[in-house]
Amino acid sequence: GEDVEQSLFLSVREGDSSVINCTYTDSSSTYLYWYKQEPGAGLQLLTYIFSNMDMKQDQRLTVLLNKKDKHLSLRIADTQTGDSAIYFCAESDGGSQGNLIFGKGTKLSVKP
Amino acid sequence: DTAVSQTPKYLVTQMGNDKSIKCEQNLGHDTMYWYKQDSKKFLKIMFSYNNKELIINETVPNRFSPKSPDKAHLNLHINSLELGDSAVYFCASSDPAEGLNEQFFGPGTRLTVL
Repeated sequence: GEDVEQSLFLSVREGDSSVINCTYTDSSSTYLYWYKQEPGAGLQLLTYIFSNMDMKQDQRLTVLLNKKDKHLSLRIADTQTGDSAIYFCAESDGGSQGNLIFGKGTKLSVKP
Repeated sequence: DTAVSQTPKYLVTQMGNDKSIKCEQNLGHDTMYWYKQDSKKFLKIMFSYNNKELIINETVPNRFSPKSPDKAHLNLHINSLELGDSAVYFCASSDPAEGLNEQFFGPGTRLTVL
């Protein structure tokens, strides 16, 4: 079945870059997603990438997709304390509804 | 304007009780979901409804029964609550189109079973 793997924790200093990695299993996933969950809140879509793209940049965020290795990464440049949150990678389950399979989430801690 | 709202935000109850969590979305979406997030923050889908019809029912005990009175509402009723049901429950909605499924999440309901 589908599975999405992420490391559980990442700690960086303010101003550094953060790189959160994810591997997924379903090669038919049309889109891959990054969601952000701040403490005490629901998940919010941060960005997504279409499966025929290698890279997507959006201000401080860069998403890299390696389809051959089924590897997705999220880079946050100039990480701020407000970026501290849990980041979830997600793939589609390949069904007609495109339901999402979420990874276990990476908790990003940003130290001042 | 809240897009996806849930009530209550916190729910503390005794084992064996029956409780409901309500969810409403004002985005006009056809599809709604319930997710369970455990204490380690792992997120698992429980149910998916499209236009009031059940699409997904993951391995969830039948003590959990979703009810969708209309497209904008998906409520979750839980019978005979157990300690292991303690978690944060998230409702979400989306309008999948051409493979893109951006889901909008509610703020969550923290359920504590004593």
